Amino acid sequence: AQSVTQLDSQVPVFEEAPVELRCNYSSSVSVYLFWYVQYPNQGLQLLLKYLSGSTLVESINGFEAEFNKSQTSFHLRKPSVHISDTAEYFCAVSALFGNEKLTFGTGTRLTIIP
Amino acid sequence: NAGVTQTPKFRVLKTGQSMTLLCAQDMNHEYMYWYRQDPGMGLRLIHYSVGEGTTAKGEVPDGYNVSRLKKQNFLLGLESAAPSQTSVYFCASRKTRGTDTQYFGPGTRLTVL
Repeated sequence: AQSVTQLDSQVPVFEEAPVELRCNYSSSVSVYLFWYVQYPNQGLQLLLKYLSGSTLVESINGFEAEFNKSQTSFHLRKPSVHISDTAEYFCAVSALFGNEKLTFGTGTRLTIIP
Repeated sequence: NAGVTQTPKFRVLKTGQSMTLLCAQDMNHEYMYWYRQDPGMGLRLIHYSVGEGTTAKGEVPDGYNVSRLKKQNFLLGLESAAPSQTSVYFCASRKTRGTDTQYFGPGTRLTVL
């Protein structure tokens, strides 16, 4: 079984400042890793994912995440945040095999302060 | 292409009442899922389906039933609603497993009084 830990439930950040949202996972097998974003009053949508290859993955809106196997982490970063980044961010994990389900973390609410 | 849709968007029930939430997807996806989202608890999987006519339990299945009679629809039923089932319910679909992206519906906000 897999589990995901997002230790920060809320992260306030000033506009144009950098941000890091932390995600650690636990699994006895190799995994795929995902970050989903939920804007207010909407469903979740995929932000980025790590499947294989380069450990650094990027999204179209400036976020990036780095897979660190030794530390079992997949932290999400952005060098300069915008008001429109205000949302809840969920880290998720799926096993490479028998991977019918995603396991989600409890989410991190990112609030951008003008 | 509407993606994943959910009906209704909002509902208020009294304890003991029953209801069915409908999820529909037009992407010909095999896999469909029902989650509930509660503050501080993230998304928890209720039930899921890996194809038409199949269902399986997730981590919090008690008090819920599901059916997948047609590939495009996944129904979630509450036979006797309880206040503990007050939540936001999300449906999702996925083409197959593995690397495929999971697409979510807009959610149904259910309040049980």
